[in-house]
Amino acid sequence: DAGVTQSPTHLIKTRGQQVTLRCSPKSGHDTVSWYQQALGQGPQFIFQYYEEEERQRGNFPDRFSGHQFPNYSSELNVNALLLGDSALYLCASSLGDRGWETQYFGPGTRLLVL
Amino acid sequence: GQSLEQPSEVTAVEGAIVQINCTYQTSGFYGLSWYQQHDGGAPTFLSYNALDGLEETGRFSSFLSRSDSYGYLLLQELQMKDSASYFCAVSPLKETNAGKSTFGDGTTLTVKP
Repeated sequence: DAGVTQSPTHLIKTRGQQVTLRCSPKSGHDTVSWYQQALGQGPQFIFQYYEEEERQRGNFPDRFSGHQFPNYSSELNVNALLLGDSALYLCASSLGDRGWETQYFGPGTRLLVL
Repeated sequence: GQSLEQPSEVTAVEGAIVQINCTYQTSGFYGLSWYQQHDGGAPTFLSYNALDGLEETGRFSSFLSRSDSYGYLLLQELQMKDSASYFCAVSPLKETNAGKSTFGDGTTLTVKP
């Protein structure tokens, strides 16, 4: 049973560039949430996708956008990168509208913006 | 909105018991979760409380008091591998904000021999 997978594992970009991060949820899960974790802090909720729609959104600017595909996999896109976007980006999957209390996290993508 | 407070660091010796506290302020509350994260790794779900009281899962237990907006994670028979960061997370009212979890900044637990 495959867990949550994310790609790439590491990424280096420069300011102003755009980045796309990918996530495949745990087998059987249909809900994907994205989090940003800065060094020394807890994960911060970016948004959640369910049934290919953004269901909830945290306090992140429109530069952060996403998508969920019919196979439940998801992408996180960040435009016009800033130095402050450097962080570990975590994807978490869960099941339906109750499963979000128990989320399974992927290993994350570590993004460095220079 | 929601905010959570937990101690930044806790140190204990192998075999001991340690309690990590979490207090929260929230405009709506559904449940409190706990996650473990080793350096460079993914957060791993440990426990969840929606109702007051104690939930026990092996060496780990979690407690919630909704009236006090307070919870804790109890780790017993500490092992060196328990050295990690522990996060509490609040889940808001399902009807209005399903999935929009808020995490604390984490407690770094160091287990010494």
